[in-house]
Amino acid sequence: SQTIHQWPATLVQPVGSPLSLECTVEGTSNPNLYWYRQAAGRGLQLLFYSVGIGQISSEVPQNLSASRPQDRQFILSSKKLLLSDSGFYLCAWSQLLRGGYGYTFGSGTRLTVV
Amino acid sequence: SQQGEEDPQALSIQEGENATMNCSYKTSINNLQWYRQNSGRGLVHLILIRSNEREKHSGRLRVTLDTSKKSSSLLITASRAADTASYFCATDSVGAQKLVFGQGTRLTINP
Repeated sequence: SQTIHQWPATLVQPVGSPLSLECTVEGTSNPNLYWYRQAAGRGLQLLFYSVGIGQISSEVPQNLSASRPQDRQFILSSKKLLLSDSGFYLCAWSQLLRGGYGYTFGSGTRLTVV
Repeated sequence: SQQGEEDPQALSIQEGENATMNCSYKTSINNLQWYRQNSGRGLVHLILIRSNEREKHSGRLRVTLDTSKKSSSLLITASRAADTASYFCATDSVGAQKLVFGQGTRLTINP
C-alpha cells in the first residue's frame, strides 16, 4: 500500500539556524510531490512541487528551498531560518483517482522558530 | 493567491443537524475536491467532483458544483461530534499540476 512519511512531527529552531524536513513516499513510483505551509488557523500555501527527480517548481520566492534527490524523497530546506518561517509544513503526493488527481498528505511538521 | 474561498469561516451546530459549507473559485477547473483536517494533523481527501458533474454523494457527504457560478457546496448530513474538523476545498485548474486550497471552514459539532 502507498504511504507517506514526514518527520519530525515537531521542531523548535532558533532564528538563523538551518532547516531540513524530509518526506518519503512508499508504494508508488514517480509521484508528483508537494510541500505546503499552513499558518495557524489558515489555509494551505503551496511552496514547492516536483514532477520528477531534480525537478523543482517554486511557487513563492522566500527563504526556503526544496530538493528531490531520489524518486520518492522530497526535502525542504533553509540555510537560515526566520521567525516568519514558523508554521505547519505538510508534504503530499498526488495519486490518480476517478476523475482526477487527489492528494495524500503526510502528518505534518510543526516548526516553531524562536 | 488562494483560488478557493470557503464560507463560512467557522460554523457551530448541534449534533444531528446538517452542516453546509460553500466554496467559490475563480478559474476554469478540471475538478474540485474537499478535504478534512483534524486539529494538528494532515489533510484527508473526502471527495472529488469533476467539472462536468453537478452533484456527488459519498456516505453522509453531498457535494454540488455549479461551474457557471464557480461555486461548490459540501453538505454533511446528520452531523456527529467526530465531524468536528476544518474542511477545505481545493481546485485543480486547467493547465495546472497542483491543487490550490481555500482558507477552510472550521466546523464544530456540539454534542
